[in-house]
Amino acid sequence: AQKITQTQPGMFVQEKEAVTLDCTYDTSDPSYGLFWYKQPSSGEMIFLIYQGSYDQQNATEGRYSLNFQKARKSANLVISASQLGDSAMYFCAMREVRSGAGSYQLTFGKGTKLSVIP
Amino acid sequence: NAGVTQTPKFQVLKTGQSMTLQCAQDMNHNSMYWYRQDPGMGLRLIYYSASEGTTDKGEVPNGYNVSRLNKREFSLRLESAAPSQTSVYFCASSEPGRGLNQPQHFGDGTRLSIL
Repeated sequence: AQKITQTQPGMFVQEKEAVTLDCTYDTSDPSYGLFWYKQPSSGEMIFLIYQGSYDQQNATEGRYSLNFQKARKSANLVISASQLGDSAMYFCAMREVRSGAGSYQLTFGKGTKLSVIP
Repeated sequence: NAGVTQTPKFQVLKTGQSMTLQCAQDMNHNSMYWYRQDPGMGLRLIYYSASEGTTDKGEVPNGYNVSRLNKREFSLRLESAAPSQTSVYFCASSEPGRGLNQPQHFGDGTRLSIL
């Protein structure tokens, strides 16, 4: 079973409108972290926002916010006031604490391609 | 302001050739990672190094070897390249000791084509 599921291969949004990108996850670990990354057409991976499993409040970073619903195991990214520069691939990723090695690996979803329409 | 540096940025190989992808980070991170990105597949972990002197397999390690040369450098080697290894390769680093919320920082990627 996939650990991270992004059900929207592609999304369109009008400039200045808000958009929600879906992410559901699967883990039995009580301690985990969820990340969103942006990958523009130039190819680099840009970290956007983080949500910890024990965080009481939804994370926010500027125009980005995370709608975290722990019971539903979802961590949707909300982008407010979309801009043309927001057109990119967006990846949801999960970090689970692995015992022993002390390393925190990321498992990525397949991504959502967002296109912002002028 | 370099962060994670990968070399080369592009490479074309013939089937059976060998190649080493280089990665260096200047953020004093303990952990380093190699991913591959294929269309429609997201990023998949090939190998990682939790700290200097240790390496472990990720989700898709077959056909690859790695070396953690020192704290800064983590290389990925293809001993006998195959067309199925055509992909974009990303190196990343992180400092898990600073907390669960520490993101991985990525290089700009290496676009590798194998004919």
